[in-house]
Amino acid sequence: SQQGEEDPQALSIQEGENATMNCSYKTSINNLQWYRQNSGRGLVHLILIRSNEREKHSGRLRVTLDTSKKSSSLLITASRAADTASYFCATEGGYYQLIWGAGTKLIIKP
Amino acid sequence: GAGVSQSPRYKVAKRGQDVALRCDPISGHVSLFWYQQALGQGPEFLTYFQNEAQLDKSGLPSDRFFAERPEGSVSTLKIQRTQQEDSAVYLCASSSGTGGFEQYFGPGTRLTVT
Repeated sequence: SQQGEEDPQALSIQEGENATMNCSYKTSINNLQWYRQNSGRGLVHLILIRSNEREKHSGRLRVTLDTSKKSSSLLITASRAADTASYFCATEGGYYQLIWGAGTKLIIKP
Repeated sequence: GAGVSQSPRYKVAKRGQDVALRCDPISGHVSLFWYQQALGQGPEFLTYFQNEAQLDKSGLPSDRFFAERPEGSVSTLKIQRTQQEDSAVYLCASSSGTGGFEQYFGPGTRLTVT
């Protein structure tokens, strides 16, 4: 069973535009992580935000976390063709187990 | 350094056959995870090792699934008497710890049961 639910399921934007995807989850968490998956590089960790943090930045990525609403968002600014991939949120509630959503499929059009 | 590797990358098995999937984690990583990923879905947790100890196998779908990591490094996921519903990508991940550590994933093994 999957805890996270990403929204939208699919997103298609022009290169250079910003992409925003959301994740909602059901139970309390210690941290939330975002991963990217494409056929070339498999699953790659992007960013981790802890439950006591509200916002985090890494390069062109910005993640927010609202624990009261049990939701997170991932913003990718100035998108590039190489950002085409599926993006997953994964929540860590216990000591080690990550619970994953079904992902958002992002397509960047040239 | 080298990342997580998995072999074989692709495996086709006839229904009823046994298969063994191998994972070589990043050297020194104490934590090792196996996930199953169906097409269009996120990974689903199968089992977790801390060194050679299997601390959680709650995600294994049935007693046909068995995992081991006898020396705390390489791990093998074995599926006995494969069924069509076992067709999926099996992902291995390792990390240097738990509780807020990122997981490093291998490329996966795509298992197709015919």
